[in-house]
Parts: sequence; structure tokens; C-alpha cells
Amino acid sequence: DIQMTQSPSSMSASLGDRVTITCQASQDIGNNLIWFQQKPGKSPRPMIYYATNLANGVPSRFSGSRSGSDYSLTISSLESEDMADYHCLQYKQYPYTFGAGTKLELK
Amino acid sequence: EVQLVESGGGLVQPGRSLKLSCAASGFTFSNYYMAWVRQAPKKGLEWVATISTSGSRTYYPDSVKGRFTISRDNAKSSLYLQMNSLKSEDTATYYCARRRYNYGFDYWGQGVMVTVSS
Repeated sequence: DIQMTQSPSSMSASLGDRVTITCQASQDIGNNLIWFQQKPGKSPRPMIYYATNLANGVPSRFSGSRSGSDYSLTISSLESEDMADYHCLQYKQYPYTFGAGTKLELK
Repeated sequence: EVQLVESGGGLVQPGRSLKLSCAASGFTFSNYYMAWVRQAPKKGLEWVATISTSGSRTYYPDSVKGRFTISRDNAKSSLYLQMNSLKSEDTATYYCARRRYNYGFDYWGQGVMVTVSS
């Protein structure tokens, strides 16, 4: 199975900060990775798909990148509405596997 | 507008069965792979099952293989998850999700809670 190691597990940041969350894949997944945002009591919302593509309706301050087996979600300038949990998912092969999640809080 | 609406959750005793349903609308259901994903309380997301467009191919992680069965009725635009031999660790919110090629899961339902407890 492909392991997705997500870091950090939690972080606190200030409004306007640049924030980066990372997932490392244990095997080659190509660009078959998606990032989700999840707020309390809500369903996951796609943010970045195929590693670097912005999902519909997602603000341009969000971006995704890849360096080898490391995948990153970056928020260029943090806003209050970005406080949420973030999850990565690899869909290269079964079993699909999620990262453990990152809780983003306001400092 | 794409909509996925789950139903069928509730409280069930360990070892018993439960069947979840997901009613889809706003898209051509038969054109998409569909999936179930769950989230235990205060925990991360876990993929549970995926089914092909025709229903001929199904995929499961080891944690549910042999106990859970995903199925679909394209005529009714509905997805199902039959859960047998339930364990306390199956307690979670279960989401129905649409899989889009080279995208992952692009639409999710609101989720349905399943509690396995005596």
C-alpha cells in the first residue's frame, strides 16, 4: 500500500502568513493527488486536484506543487476562512490512501 | 447541480448489518465511478470502497474486505453500501463521493453517521 505522510499534523498561523502543508508519498503516484479542505461538521471540499490544478471556485491564494515524491499545498496569504482541516489523497492505485490530516488554526 | 444524499445510518449492535444508500442527481450517474469514504469521530478520512460504472468491478481496503459490499443501481441513480459483521471501529460518518478521472473525488454527500455499539 502507498503511505501518505502528511505534515505538520497541526499548525497555528497569523492572518496574512504564507502557509505550506506537505504530503510525502512512499511510492510513485505521479500527479494523482488531491487536496481537500474540511471545516467542522462539513464534507471535504476539493481544493487542488492532479497535484497542481485549482478546483472550481477555489481562491487563487491556494496553490499546489510537486517535487519528486513531495506534494505541497500552499496558501499565499492566510485568511480567517482558511482555518480548517486539510487532507491529501493519492488516487494512483488501490487502496486509495489519505494523509493523516493537518489542522490549521489561527495564532 | 450535482447532489449526493446519503441515508440509512444509525445505531447498530456489533456483529449486525446495516445498508447505506446514496441518491445521486444532477449528473449522468452511470458515467462515473462512485465511492464510499468514512471518517471516525475526530479522526482522518479513510477510503472504504469504489465501484466501476457498470458495477462489474469493485475495490476495497483490507479493513472492510469480505464484510462490506458496494453496489449500484444505475436506473435509480443510487449507490449502496452493505455492511456486515460490524465492529466498533466501523463507527464513523460515511460519505458517498463521485470519482472523476484524473481528479479524485470531486463531489461529496453530506455524510451519514453509523454508530456500532451495544
